[in-house]
Amino acid sequence: NAGVMQNPRHLVRRRGQEARLRCSPMKGHSHVYWYRQLPEEGLKFMVYLQKENIIDESGMPKERFSAEFPKEGPSILRIQQVVRGDSAAYFCASSPEGPQGGGYTFGSGTRLTVV
Amino acid sequence: QQQVKQSPQSLIVQKGGISIINCAYENTAFDYFPWYQQFPGKGPALLIAIRPDVSEKKEGRFTISFNKSAKQFSLHIMDSQPGDSATYFCAARRRAGAQKLVFGQGTRLTINP
Repeated sequence: NAGVMQNPRHLVRRRGQEARLRCSPMKGHSHVYWYRQLPEEGLKFMVYLQKENIIDESGMPKERFSAEFPKEGPSILRIQQVVRGDSAAYFCASSPEGPQGGGYTFGSGTRLTVV
Repeated sequence: QQQVKQSPQSLIVQKGGISIINCAYENTAFDYFPWYQQFPGKGPALLIAIRPDVSEKKEGRFTISFNKSAKQFSLHIMDSQPGDSATYFCAARRRAGAQKLVFGQGTRLTINP
C-alpha cells in the first residue's frame, strides 16, 4: 500500500513561471490537504479538498494559487507567476473518509525554489 | 481561537533523559490531538494521538498527557535516544466541520549522546 505520493520532490522555477505540484493520496483516501512549510517554521494550512470539491480554502492566498482534485488523477496545487516568497516545502496529506478518521498521512513534500 | 501554541522552540536533552514538549489551545471545539515527528527532508509522520476523553496515552517510550480543564497537552519521550532527534509538531482538529489540522510551531529536539 503506497503512501501519499508527491512529485516532483524538488522544483526550481524562475520568477514569473508557473509551478505545478502533484499529490496522489493513499489508496482509499478521499480527503486531501495541502500545507506549506517555510524554513524553520511550522505547517500552515492552505486548502482541503475532496474529489471534485474544494471544502476549505481559507489558507490559500487569494491570488496566483489554485488547487484541484479531479475525479480521476492526482490533486494539483498550482502557483502562477511565482515569486521568491513562494519558495517553501509544500506537503500534501490524505485521510480516510468521515469525521472519525484519524490523523493525516503526509507525503514527502515538494521543495519549491524560486530563483 | 484556531491557534495551537507550542513550546519550547528548541530542546536539548542528554541520552537517556526525558524530553517534554508542551502545547496549549483555546478552541474547546478541538477533539483530536496528534503529535507528528519530522526528520530533515521528510514529511511529518504521525507519532501518537489522543482524544479528550482520556488524560494519558502511552505508546512505547512516548506518552501524551492531556489536561482538558487547562486546555493543555504534552508529549513525553522517556529514555530519549539520539535517533529521536527531530522536529516535533503538536496539532489539533475540530470536532465537526472541516477536518483540517491546526499545527503548533514545532520543537526542534536534539538528543546528545
